[in-house]
Amino acid sequence: GAVVSQHPSWVICKSGTSVKIECRSLDFQATTMFWYRQFPKQSLMLMATSNEGSKATYEQGVEKDKFLINHASLTLSTLTVTSAHPEDSSFYICRASGDQETQYFGPGTRLLVL
Amino acid sequence: GENVEQHPSTLSVQEGDSAVIKCTYSDSASNYFPWYKQELGKRPQLIIDIRSNVGEKKDQRIAVTLNKTAKHFSLHITETQPEDSAVYFCAASLASGGSYIPTFGRGTSLIVHP
Repeated sequence: GAVVSQHPSWVICKSGTSVKIECRSLDFQATTMFWYRQFPKQSLMLMATSNEGSKATYEQGVEKDKFLINHASLTLSTLTVTSAHPEDSSFYICRASGDQETQYFGPGTRLLVL
Repeated sequence: GENVEQHPSTLSVQEGDSAVIKCTYSDSASNYFPWYKQELGKRPQLIIDIRSNVGEKKDQRIAVTLNKTAKHFSLHITETQPEDSAVYFCAASLASGGSYIPTFGRGTSLIVHP
């Protein structure tokens, strides 16, 4: 089956620093990438949707200047959390969409901001 | 937009019992309803899905039913086993052109006691 990877799987950073999370589709072309945030014991909340080569579409309440999304190729999308603060600590998961309706989640990145 | 309600939030059963999780959705245009299982700290895994032209689908011990008129769908797990313990998310979406953006329910934490 299709595989989606995320890197890093774990990151701990100091408040005020920026963190970049990569999401890669390893064996298919992901025309659309979705980024989710999941707080403990809560559901997956969609942050933004990005199509390759286009600007990302952000959900209401998500600051586009704080969560920078780049989808420069059909196999790679990045989410950069700029000037991270403790309240940004969460589990970030990408989902890659190709030509089929079956979608593939990445394994997630756990971010802890001290 | 779509709104998905999921109940119960926690479900505790004895091994061998059946478990039922129910979801309702608001957008009558939604036509694709996947169910995901998420173990702690891991990515959601698609376990079964159903489309709006089908009323029921079964895969071994799991089954999903859909009532389009009432706009609700349910997940049924029979002969539960401890390894079924996880958080289950339902989702509703409009699948079109090979992609979809699901709206997730809040999740049900299923605990199967040996």
